[in-house]
Amino acid sequence: KQEVTQIPAALSVPEGENLVLNCSFTDSAIYNLQWFRQDPGKGLTSLLLIQSSQREQTSGRLNASLDKSSGRSTLYIAASQPGDSATYLCAVEGYSTLTFGKGTMLLVSP
Amino acid sequence: DTGVSQNPRHKITKRGQNVTFRCDPISEHNRLYWYRQTLGQGPEFLTYFQNEAQLEKSRLLSDRFSAERPKGSFSTLEIQRTEQGDSAMYLCASSLDAPPLTGELFFGEGSRLTVL
Repeated sequence: KQEVTQIPAALSVPEGENLVLNCSFTDSAIYNLQWFRQDPGKGLTSLLLIQSSQREQTSGRLNASLDKSSGRSTLYIAASQPGDSATYLCAVEGYSTLTFGKGTMLLVSP
Repeated sequence: DTGVSQNPRHKITKRGQNVTFRCDPISEHNRLYWYRQTLGQGPEFLTYFQNEAQLEKSRLLSDRFSAERPKGSFSTLEIQRTEQGDSAMYLCASSLDAPPLTGELFFGEGSRLTVL
């Protein structure tokens, strides 16, 4: 059974810092990995999708990497802003479903 | 708005009542998923459809739960004889599966269920 772990569970940083969120998964037989953002009481917003054949994806200030063989992914956020405050979820797709981690709750203070 | 739409957004019900949630996916998407999320946890997979066919169901989906996707368009998730443990956010997502690439999932805003 696929298990996804996200570290840290919570993170508080001052505005402007660069930061890294970590995701690890136990079964490397994945089709893709997605990073999502979730604001309190809301649905999930897709940030980045990395296919299993890719190593990284970039969107604006976000960069996600994937090392499938070691079962790890990182989400790098450059020059963090208060508007980045949210929970960030990592999910890996197996044969038919996405398995999610519990998320990292990020607070960026002005 | 062409995103995934879920209704109702909030539902408060008494234990033992039946509830139904509706999901309208992005129109050209062939896959539709239902997830459940409780506070402080990541979403947990319930079931998914490829067009109108329900291809997989989680063990979380007890006999009280039923999902349909008639004609491969919108989907409904019904919970019969609700229990307090059913209180959660029910999330719907859709994707366009185009092998060999797997599609990006787009989620709706969710339907929050509170069972009193």
